[in-house]
Amino acid sequence: EDQVTQSPEALRLQEGESSSLNCSYTVSGLRGLFWYRQDPGKGPEFLFTLYSAGEEKEKERLKATLTKKESFLHITAPKPEDSATYLCAVQARMSGGSQGNLIFGKGTKLSVKP
Amino acid sequence: GAVVSQHPSWVICKSGTSVKIECRSLDFQATTMFWYRQFPKQSLMLMATSNEGSKATYEQGVEKDKFLINHASLTLSTLTVTSAHPEDSSFYICSARGIAGLYEQYFGPGTRLTVT
Repeated sequence: EDQVTQSPEALRLQEGESSSLNCSYTVSGLRGLFWYRQDPGKGPEFLFTLYSAGEEKEKERLKATLTKKESFLHITAPKPEDSATYLCAVQARMSGGSQGNLIFGKGTKLSVKP
Repeated sequence: GAVVSQHPSWVICKSGTSVKIECRSLDFQATTMFWYRQFPKQSLMLMATSNEGSKATYEQGVEKDKFLINHASLTLSTLTVTSAHPEDSSFYICSARGIAGLYEQYFGPGTRLTVT
């Protein structure tokens, strides 16, 4: 069964304290792994797509990496405005009647204190 | 680019009435749109997937007669909650996947439904 597990559930950092969020996955043929940011009461905001092991993508203080079993979202010198819930999702290779739906993890709630 | 809008952003309705939520892709054509439901402090739960011009595919446990989905054009999908009850109160979010884009789904801002 395709599954996504994110850790930790919650992470509290001081401003400037770098850290990483983990997304472990099992999927029958990975088509893509996605990172989203969600603020309270809002829809998820797309951050990155990773397609193959070894791939890395960066955006401002965020850097996403991918291996065959997991992905990391590295946050360098975070600021209070980086506080949000970060969601990881995978899409399996479509087959049969599959619509290629995203399978989401439960998210990591990040709080950055000034 | 890749902007998805939802309307209304919040709605309060009385039990037994129906509510329609619109989801629009503003700057791209969406062959597939998805509807999710999210409970407080929980992740997104996929309700249904719709392709333009086709009937929606509902996830197990989602009542298709209660949650009517229409995807009449490449930029618009609607979710109608029929005969709403207080337990239908939730945060409903749509997403869209385009033709030209690869596999990314872009999400709308969500609609907060409260049934009294």
